[in-house]
Amino acid sequence: QVRLTQSGAEVKRPGASVRVSCKVSGYTVTDSSIHWVRQSPGKGLEWIGGYDPEDRERIYTQKFQDRVILTEDTSTNTAYMELRSLTSEDTAVYYCATDATAPFDHWGQGTLVTVSS
Amino acid sequence: DIVMTQSPLSLPVTPGEAATISCNSSQSLLHGTGFSFLHWFQQKPGQSPQLLMYLASNRASGVPDRFSGSGSGTDFTLKISRVEAEDVGLYYCMQGLQTPLTFGPGTRVDIK
Repeated sequence: QVRLTQSGAEVKRPGASVRVSCKVSGYTVTDSSIHWVRQSPGKGLEWIGGYDPEDRERIYTQKFQDRVILTEDTSTNTAYMELRSLTSEDTAVYYCATDATAPFDHWGQGTLVTVSS
Repeated sequence: DIVMTQSPLSLPVTPGEAATISCNSSQSLLHGTGFSFLHWFQQKPGQSPQLLMYLASNRASGVPDRFSGSGSGTDFTLKISRVEAEDVGLYYCMQGLQTPLTFGPGTRVDIK
């Protein structure tokens, strides 16, 4: 059974970095796509980027390309998203999601990142 | 980037009645395989989004058959044949054809 379990809420100062983890169970983290999506307060869904297992590459939305790093640790079967140079506009719930048998068919529970001075 | 639009943005419904949400893309989502790479998600209050339909018309595992999806190219529709109280929430379409993957703005479904 596929399950994605994310790390807990974070509070960060502007300019800091945050790393959100997404522990995968039910398959090997690099055998399927892992996507990262965020939802700002009262707003819609925004795709940040993801890992493509076919091309073995990470793809980022241009908006985040200079500030985000996506990694996967096969020893712990965990995916990570690190976002740098945080501003108040990065306050959002961050989700990981995977394409287990269908696109985005499993999601993590979400991690609230609050950026405040 | 492919721009996704949805209508209506707010949809009050009466339980037992049908509800229809439209989604349009700025470019065709038709892949060379013949499938349109358009997916629908439901987000209930306080929960993570959940996949409802994929490739325009395929119900995800566990989704009730009162949900159906149709369309091809740039015009798509999600239909709920008989709305139930548990269907309240936000509904998003998303294109999976090219990166960056993009979502529609969402349609809020609530009970009249």
